[in-house]
Amino acid sequence: EPEVTQTPSHQVTQMGQEVILRCVPISNHLYFYWYRQILGQKVEFLVSFYNNEISEKSEIFDDQFSVERPDGSNFTLKIRSTKLEDSAMYFCASTGRSSSGNTIYFGEGSWLTVV
Amino acid sequence: GEDVEQSLFLSVREGDSSVINCTYTDSSSTYLYWYKQEPGAGLQLLTYIFSNMDMKQDQRLTVLLNKKDKHLSLRIADTQTGDSAIYFCAESYSTLTFGKGTMLLVSP
Repeated sequence: EPEVTQTPSHQVTQMGQEVILRCVPISNHLYFYWYRQILGQKVEFLVSFYNNEISEKSEIFDDQFSVERPDGSNFTLKIRSTKLEDSAMYFCASTGRSSSGNTIYFGEGSWLTVV
Repeated sequence: GEDVEQSLFLSVREGDSSVINCTYTDSSSTYLYWYKQEPGAGLQLLTYIFSNMDMKQDQRLTVLLNKKDKHLSLRIADTQTGDSAIYFCAESYSTLTFGKGTMLLVSP
């Protein structure tokens, strides 16, 4: 079964450092997303990306966040200057046209710890 | 804004049926989903239902949707210890809105 892959699985970074989380969406998918889950809390939407641009973003996705699709396969989330409260599991997801419906697949997540 | 509510905890015995309930507020939801999350792992898509359906069955899983009451349920037949996990309900119009998750504990 096709899957969304994310790297790294776990990263520890110092406050103020830049972090890049990487994702390889399912190859024929067109829509890409980042979500995050702070420990013990809900999974929250950050941003959606289609046709090489952001299509929607939440209030969480402020100026310190950016997304990029640098080539045909990778989709990255950059956090410019990390804060303690950015510690969370970050999930990448993708979806594409499917005769079986709008199935949104998530990766295994990247666990970010800011110290 | 949109909201999704779930009960936080459910405990069942192995072999019993489990029913996890969810309510949502967004009447324009097009798809409703159930995801499973095992400890330290990602979100595994279990099943989904289109908003114009009222039931979907997939092996041991049955999803019931009452669109009038905005109520969604997931029934797991013959629950196994391997089904112990957190189950998230999510609704979608353009992006997913998740509930807080229901922790299912299956005891032998």
